[in-house]
Amino acid sequence: DTEVTQTPKHLVMGMTNKKSLKCEQHMGHRAMYWYKQKAKKPPELMFVYSYEKLSINESVPSRFSPECPNSSLLNLHLHALQPEDSALYLCASTPRLPGRETQYFGPGTRLLVL
Amino acid sequence: QKEVEQDPGPLSVPEGAIVSLNCTYSNSAFQYFMWYRQYSRKGPELLMYTYSSGNKEDGRFTAQVDKSSKYISLFIRDSQPSDSATYLCAMGGGTGNQFYFGTGTSLTVIP
Repeated sequence: DTEVTQTPKHLVMGMTNKKSLKCEQHMGHRAMYWYKQKAKKPPELMFVYSYEKLSINESVPSRFSPECPNSSLLNLHLHALQPEDSALYLCASTPRLPGRETQYFGPGTRLLVL
Repeated sequence: QKEVEQDPGPLSVPEGAIVSLNCTYSNSAFQYFMWYRQYSRKGPELLMYTYSSGNKEDGRFTAQVDKSSKYISLFIRDSQPSDSATYLCAMGGGTGNQFYFGTGTSLTVIP
């Protein structure tokens, strides 16, 4: 099974809301990633977790807050977002070390900020 | 210079044609090479993975890596309308703990 799941599939939120995106994988992978993707652009790296520790934070605004509760789960907490944060948010995982081996993506959460 | 260069297209071919998609890269330390297919508003789907150099074939898809030229290719034989999508190359294994993506090539296969 090479599946990464993400919930919700779609999310509409106002600029004062607080919401969370959830990602789950049961492949035993130890590196997990959050990406943001705008239309007709490649995925843009936001965060990398390696063995449940934050490995990379690509200067993402603090209104995005990642959390890795265990090796299978990755959350992205959203607060006071801006309309320009509307995008497809993708979760991915790799077996062991970040930036190595095969990366699998989830289906994404399509976020609209009003 | 970008880490990975990919012609964005768009590329339009008739059904049954052979499609060639390419990426070049600058970091000779890259060892892990992937091709993804992404349909509109969906997550990228892993098509092919190659470690180091060489060819890999899976059905109608063939991936080639030429490390001496820093060049990777994806060939699609007998292309189908369902192959219409954006194709992303990605690579890793450099000093950074991340993958580097091409900009994606938009492909349309015309019935």
